[in-house]
Amino acid sequence: VQVVESGGGLVTPGGSLRLSCAASGFTFSDYYMSWIRQAPGKGLELVSYISSSGTTIYYADSVKGRFTISRDNAKNSLYLQMNSLRAEDTAVYYCARILYFPNWFDPWGQGTLVTVSS
Amino acid sequence: QSALTQPRSVSGSPGQSVTISCTGTSSDVGGYNYVSWYQQHPGKAPKLMIYDVSKRPSGVPDRFSGSKSGNTASLTISGLQAEDEADYYCYSYAGTYTLVFGGGTKVTVL
Repeated sequence: VQVVESGGGLVTPGGSLRLSCAASGFTFSDYYMSWIRQAPGKGLELVSYISSSGTTIYYADSVKGRFTISRDNAKNSLYLQMNSLRAEDTAVYYCARILYFPNWFDPWGQGTLVTVSS
Repeated sequence: QSALTQPRSVSGSPGQSVTISCTGTSSDVGGYNYVSWYQQHPGKAPKLMIYDVSKRPSGVPDRFSGSKSGNTASLTISGLQAEDEADYYCYSYAGTYTLVFGGGTKVTVL
């Protein structure tokens, strides 16, 4: 059972980036999935989550209107489209499965670093 | 939704016990038994240590235990070991599809 993120990198303010999360070892389509970020030296912040079918979606106020979460159950993949990026979006972004929503998060990926800077 | 309140740091000597508190409200910690705890070593991903307030996943040492009283959840590490030095985060469901983490606690083994 694992999830692996990719797609992070350096982007200028106002730019866009798309993160991906590849899941394996479990029936992806049965679970809610989430994106959680951690700014340098800071704590965990839930960015967004999506239900197993994609019909229920939540965004933190800090990213609402700029980020879009989606999933492709046929490809066992989760995505986060990030537009209008700001310096304060700089963080490690983790993908995590939510078990028995909203009970707990497991597993977590190793994270992908997004740096927004000119 | 504000983050749950955790002490910035706690410390203890090897073999001692330390307890980390996670204080919320009746709308989150006090209202649901959906409390979990995560351990994070520097540069690593968080790892689930406790779920459903007090349950331990397979592979987590039994020196880690969780509890809840009113609006405060707690994680206790008994028989503290060097490898327990890490950051710890609590989590709770806060109703209406809102999920909230604590601010994190750094555990130092003296």
